[in-house]
Formats: sequence, structure tokens, C-alpha cells
Amino acid sequence: EPEVTQTPSHQVTQMGQEVILRCVPISNHLYFYWYRQILGQKVEFLVSFYNNEISEKSEIFDDQFSVERPDGSNFTLKIRSTKLEDSAMYFCASSESPGLGETQYFGPGTRLLVL
Amino acid sequence: KQEVTQIPAALSVPEGENLVLNCSFTDSAIYNLQWFRQDPGKGLTSLLLIQSSQREQTSGRLNASLDKSSGRSTLYIAASQPGDSATYLCAVIAAGNKLTFGGGTRVLVKP
Repeated sequence: EPEVTQTPSHQVTQMGQEVILRCVPISNHLYFYWYRQILGQKVEFLVSFYNNEISEKSEIFDDQFSVERPDGSNFTLKIRSTKLEDSAMYFCASSESPGLGETQYFGPGTRLLVL
Repeated sequence: KQEVTQIPAALSVPEGENLVLNCSFTDSAIYNLQWFRQDPGKGLTSLLLIQSSQREQTSGRLNASLDKSSGRSTLYIAASQPGDSATYLCAVIAAGNKLTFGGGTRVLVKP
């Protein structure tokens, strides 16, 4: 069964460093998302992406964050200058179309630790 | 602003008992509601999606109901097994295409 994959599974970085989290959505899906979950807290929406542009972003998704689909398969989240509070599990998700009734399929997550 | 709440936060039952997990949301103008399972340190596995026009959805031992007007959904898991131990999350789409999540119910099924 097709699935969303994410790399790396774990990343440790120093405060102020740039990190890039990678995702390979399900191949025929067109709508992509990033969510994050700080330890012990709810899963929070960061950004959605369709047709090579951001569709929606939350207030968390400030200028330090960017997303990109550099080729036909990868979808990346970049954090330009990491802060301690960026430590979280980051989930990528995809859905088949932008329709509001579509199931979103999640990847296994990247656990980011900022020291 | 949409708020999603799940009660109880944790639940422990003996094997074989039926599980009842509750989810409530403040804005009833949702498009759909999705139930997920999360194992410790792992990703989210989609269990069921209920469209706003539906009252319930079933998959095997799982049944989810939706009462949009009162802002509630319930996930029933019949004849629980130790393998059902996990955190169960509900999430709604009310505007845009973003999911708003509840805090989850952590379930332990004791053999």
C-alpha cells in the first residue's frame, strides 16, 4: 500500500542552524501539508501546498519557515534559523486532491531536537 | 476559532470490553471529521473519515458516529484487544483544508 515517507527520522541540531526536513508524498497525490506536534501537546497545522504554491499557513509558519517541491517527488520543509521551541515531531501529509472530503495520509514523522 | 476536545484524556479497560471515545468541536460548520491512531513516537494512522453529510462510518470493529449539530463524534471499538492500546486522535476540517486536532485519548487495554 502506498505511504508517505519522511527523512530523517530523527534530527539533532544546534540553535540557529538551518534544517531541511524531507517528505515523499504518495505518488498520485496533489495536496501536501506539514503539521507539528510539540511533546505533550496537540498536533498543529503549519502549511498546505498545492499547485506549487502555499494554499494556507498558520501563524506558526513565519518567515523562518519555507516549503518547496524541488522535483516531482519530494516535498521539503526548511527552518532557516532554528530555535529551542522548534523542537517537535514534524509530520508530512498528503491527499489525493484539494477536495475538502479527502483523507489526509500522514508520514511517520521527523523528530527534531534543537539544542 | 475551532477547538477540538477529547474526553477522557486516558482510559484503561480489560481486554474484551468495548471502548467509547468522545470528541467534541466548537464550530459545527465542518466538512469532515477524521479519527487517527498514534502509537508512541510514531506517525498518525487514519482510521475513519466521516463526511459532514454522514451520521456514521464503520470499518471492522470500529464505528464512528457524527452529530454535527451538537458538535460531537464518538468512536466505538468493539471487543478491545491489547493491540488496540494507543492514542486516538480526532480532527476536523472546518475551513480551508487544514485539520484541527484534539488532544487525544490514551487507551490501554489490559490482557
